Amino acid sequence: QVTLKESGPGILQPSQTLSLTCSFSGFSLSTYGMCVGWIRQSSGKGLEWLANIWWNDDKYYNPSLKNRLTISKDTSNNQAFLKITNMDTADTATYYCARRWYFDYWGQGVMVTVSS
Amino acid sequence: IQLTQSPSLLSASVGDRVTLSCKGSQNINNYLAWYQQKLGEAPKLLIYNTNSLQTGIPSRFSGSGSGTDYTLTISSLQPEDVATYFCYQYNNGWTFGGGTKLELK
Repeated sequence: QVTLKESGPGILQPSQTLSLTCSFSGFSLSTYGMCVGWIRQSSGKGLEWLANIWWNDDKYYNPSLKNRLTISKDTSNNQAFLKITNMDTADTATYYCARRWYFDYWGQGVMVTVSS
Repeated sequence: IQLTQSPSLLSASVGDRVTLSCKGSQNINNYLAWYQQKLGEAPKLLIYNTNSLQTGIPSRFSGSGSGTDYTLTISSLQPEDVATYFCYQYNNGWTFGGGTKLELK
């Protein structure tokens, strides 16, 4: 059974760095062709792809956010991570992690609020 | 690649055949997926690679298309299909469409 679950700070202040963790089970990020991605959704808005990390440690970032994003993984502990620097109120959103490049399984999402 | 979904809002009756459109700014080469998102829930994969039905998804959902133009069809709308539907391309980068909100008439 494939499951993913995001965790994060909930609230942070403008200019701080957001650190998110995706803990998953039912698959391994060391498996050939496997991938985990991060997606966010502002309240009532659409979905925005942020970054993907692959089994071979290839990483891809949304060009509009690339300078602020860092994706990484801990294969032995079945976790993937996303850091976003210089957070702004516009980054307030629900952040999801999902499996594979076509996102066949999603976590429940974690709400992140940026407020002073 | 930019994805444009139409219409943004669709009202239909139970039993209707419903068609949602997704148009890319460039050739997507069939690397297109569709998701259903109900209020307060994470998106759920319905279709991948244009027309492959995800395991567990009812057969009333189907996908088609090629090049820049793709379609999600619900053959007979059910009350539980009320949701927002997003298309997503993974041919050149990864981008989502803006969504179509489907409501009951």
